[in-house]
Amino acid sequence: GAVVSQHPSWVICKSGTSVKIECRSLDFQATTMFWYRQFPKQSLMLMATSNEGSKATYEQGVEKDKFLINHASLTLSTLTVTSAHPEDSSFYICSARIREGGNEQFFGPGTRLTVL
Amino acid sequence: EDQVTQSPEALRLQEGESSSLNCSYTVSGLRGLFWYRQDPGKGPEFLFTLYSAGEEKEKERLKATLTKKESFLHITAPKPEDSATYLCAVQAWGGGSNYKLTFGKGTLLTVNP
Repeated sequence: GAVVSQHPSWVICKSGTSVKIECRSLDFQATTMFWYRQFPKQSLMLMATSNEGSKATYEQGVEKDKFLINHASLTLSTLTVTSAHPEDSSFYICSARIREGGNEQFFGPGTRLTVL
Repeated sequence: EDQVTQSPEALRLQEGESSSLNCSYTVSGLRGLFWYRQDPGKGPEFLFTLYSAGEEKEKERLKATLTKKESFLHITAPKPEDSATYLCAVQAWGGGSNYKLTFGKGTLLTVNP
């Protein structure tokens, strides 16, 4: 149980284009989903928290207009990196908290983004 | 500001050589402390949640303990497949926390056969 998927698992794009990453909870409903990024040999840094049907809450220093988050249903959240640049290249990981569950977050497998 | 410090940064063990990983934390009010395992190129895998000092949780060769200032992840008779980065995270009470996690930098464990 508590399986989270991400798509795509990796993506390469040209500078200036936009990329959308999907995060799905496969066997549970997620009240809250989280988006993290992780640089090589670094820990996870929370980018934003999204609740179904409401606007995402972004962490300090994260550009809202660059990283668009949509949480349209209890099983799907999307992160769109707009006008991507090489410095946006990173490992993006989502997590989800089970609706009416405990405090744990269950993580997806991650998406490797490379911007050329 | 919540802070999590893990030590050591890296640990090499021989198969069967037991040891412990440390997670020291500072948080305004601890809602929960979490241990995750992360393999290279993958997302973290949930291991344990601890809520109060004195609590212990076990899973196979792993045992997590919690005090008011730190948590330990004890690994008994490790095997090569236990090699991974182990992450510690805290979750605080308080308005607006929204169940967010603050992670430490992790301990890279390598178990040699």
